[in-house]
Amino acid sequence: GDQVEQSPSALSLHEGTDSALRCNFTTTMRSVQWFRQNSRGSLISLFYLASGTKENGRLKSAFDSKERRYSTLHIRDAQLEDSGTYFCAAEKGNTRKLIFGLGTTLQVQP
Amino acid sequence: EAAVTQSPRNKVTVTGGNVTLSCRQTNSHNYMYWYRQDTGHGLRLIHYSYGAGNLQIGDVPDGYKATRTTQEDFFLLLELASPSQTSLYFCASRTGGALEQYFGPGTRLTVL
Repeated sequence: GDQVEQSPSALSLHEGTDSALRCNFTTTMRSVQWFRQNSRGSLISLFYLASGTKENGRLKSAFDSKERRYSTLHIRDAQLEDSGTYFCAAEKGNTRKLIFGLGTTLQVQP
Repeated sequence: EAAVTQSPRNKVTVTGGNVTLSCRQTNSHNYMYWYRQDTGHGLRLIHYSYGAGNLQIGDVPDGYKATRTTQEDFFLLLELASPSQTSLYFCASRTGGALEQYFGPGTRLTVL
């Protein structure tokens, strides 16, 4: 079936460094949503994109508007509180359903 | 900010037990969803609904029933719980347009 592939599966950074997470889609997607899951299990919505880019503080996300086959999440100047598991989820067509990737586990170290 | 609440937050039951998980959203969203999250599988869709009285089958529906009693309330029912249903369950809602889903805090269910 249609899939969302996230990379890398795990990432370790030092404070102050930058990183990029990626989601590839096996088919054209209508929109993408990025989440962070904290250690208590809560899912926090970071971005929703139907096209283009969005930025919020040190986080920036982009959705390939041309072929709609991938999305990226950039983390600038990583901080300890950025640690967690990041999920992307995409909607195909007008299905109203999200397909989730398996996540990227990010650990930020002092 | 859309509000989605779930209850209980934690539940322990035994094999064969009867469990109901509750979800309420207060933003008049049309769509509501139930997901389960397991290590190695990410979030998987169990059932969803686009309005009161409506039910749609998701990707992993076996062993689950669901009922949408009102615009606000969506319930997930496990009538004969099994250890394989031990998981973290999330409820979510969204409007009918092309907009984001809003997630509840999750319910951690353990079936002994």
